[in-house]
Amino acid sequence: NAGVTQTPKFQVLKTGQSMTLQCAQDMNHNSMYWYRQDPGMGLRLIYYSASEGTTDKGEVPNGYNVSRLNKREFSLRLESAAPSQTSVYFCASTRGRSSYNEQFFGPGTRLTVL
Amino acid sequence: SQKIEQNSEALNIQEGKTATLTCNYTNYSPAYLQWYRQDPGRGPVFLLLIRENEKEKRKERLKVTFDTTLKQSLFHITASQPADSATYLCALDIENTNAGKSTFGDGTTLTVKP
Repeated sequence: NAGVTQTPKFQVLKTGQSMTLQCAQDMNHNSMYWYRQDPGMGLRLIYYSASEGTTDKGEVPNGYNVSRLNKREFSLRLESAAPSQTSVYFCASTRGRSSYNEQFFGPGTRLTVL
Repeated sequence: SQKIEQNSEALNIQEGKTATLTCNYTNYSPAYLQWYRQDPGRGPVFLLLIRENEKEKRKERLKVTFDTTLKQSLFHITASQPADSATYLCALDIENTNAGKSTFGDGTTLTVKP
């Protein structure tokens, strides 16, 4: 099993450009998450999807949109990138909706916005 | 809103000693608290979960305690090894609603010197 995969691994954008970060899991998990991690600031939740067809905002949703394409895939879109969105983005998944479940993380996408 | 504080940005100890990391929270006591390990350039990996009605949880050389009176969890690594060097994150239910949303601390970076 590959677990949680993310593409691309690295990306450089210019201010105002758009892009989509892709995430897929092969563990048949119901819930998926997008986080950003800035140096020294830990992980902050952007959006999550408790189950296929549902999405909800996290702590820092502004400037982002998400799509839960099917049970396996959860994408994160930046419509107009800003330098403040320079960060490392992690996708995660859990078996169920309960917060009790451990989260499985992908390797991350390192995004720089110039 | 719930805030998490992890002790000091970095902890340096000698191989063979016990490392103790702290996770403090400010408001309500969560139903659970999780600990993750993160190596440089990689996503976090789940280590242990402790419920509010559990005082202590062990897994091999790892031990986690949970004190709801002090609003604190302690994470211990006994007989530490250089391979234990990493950043350790604690996480708990962001709104205590068991809705699958977690908030993470900023992490404590542990370095074990041979």
